[in-house]
Amino acid sequence: ETGVTQTPRHLVMGMTNKKSLKCEQHLGHNAMYWYKQSAKKPLELMFVYNFKEQTENNSVPSRFSPECPNSSHLFLHLHTLQPEDSALYLCASSQRTSGNEQFFGPGTRLTVL
Amino acid sequence: GNSVTQMEGPVTLSEEAFLTINCTYTATGYPSLFWYVQYPGEGLQLLLKATKADDKGSNKGFEATYRKETTSFHLEKGSVQVSDSAVYFCALGWETGANNLFFGTGTRLTVIP
Repeated sequence: ETGVTQTPRHLVMGMTNKKSLKCEQHLGHNAMYWYKQSAKKPLELMFVYNFKEQTENNSVPSRFSPECPNSSHLFLHLHTLQPEDSALYLCASSQRTSGNEQFFGPGTRLTVL
Repeated sequence: GNSVTQMEGPVTLSEEAFLTINCTYTATGYPSLFWYVQYPGEGLQLLLKATKADDKGSNKGFEATYRKETTSFHLEKGSVQVSDSAVYFCALGWETGANNLFFGTGTRLTVIP
């Protein structure tokens, strides 16, 4: 595998379910990000991890819970979501000192019923 | 605060037409500026970037010049191809300090044969 991978690519879940999104980067980067992409809105930065430490939480509801066990892996745990949380969730990584060029995964298309 | 405004789409062009997608920004200081492209079913890919005023980023026939006086970073291509059909995002970020990127809403380009 190369670059940034995300699984699953598609997910349908009910409002009472618990699921997790996984992101893995094979680039040796030390920063990872979760973004939410909704139609006709700018990409919304959700969480930032630098050297496995969370450095940014953009007022994201607690039903989204990130986890970064090491610098290559990032998870987004989901529980009791709402239909308006349906979106494309993008993971990205970067090298903290490289001028902020971020590399994105293909995303997970989430539908909450 | 930091923000990016780009022209709303969708934009539809015939093959070999000239493309301009406007982007202006608001920022404190002198950010780096980026254009990302998202092809159908994929994540965002960096298309080009510029890190200081008057720099020109270029890649795959696309160009954008960092204009501090007009706070703009318009994307241009002299002759578009069907394979250029995608969503284009303008973004700003910082070489040092916070590693957030601020994105515009994206402009969908469709090129017809």
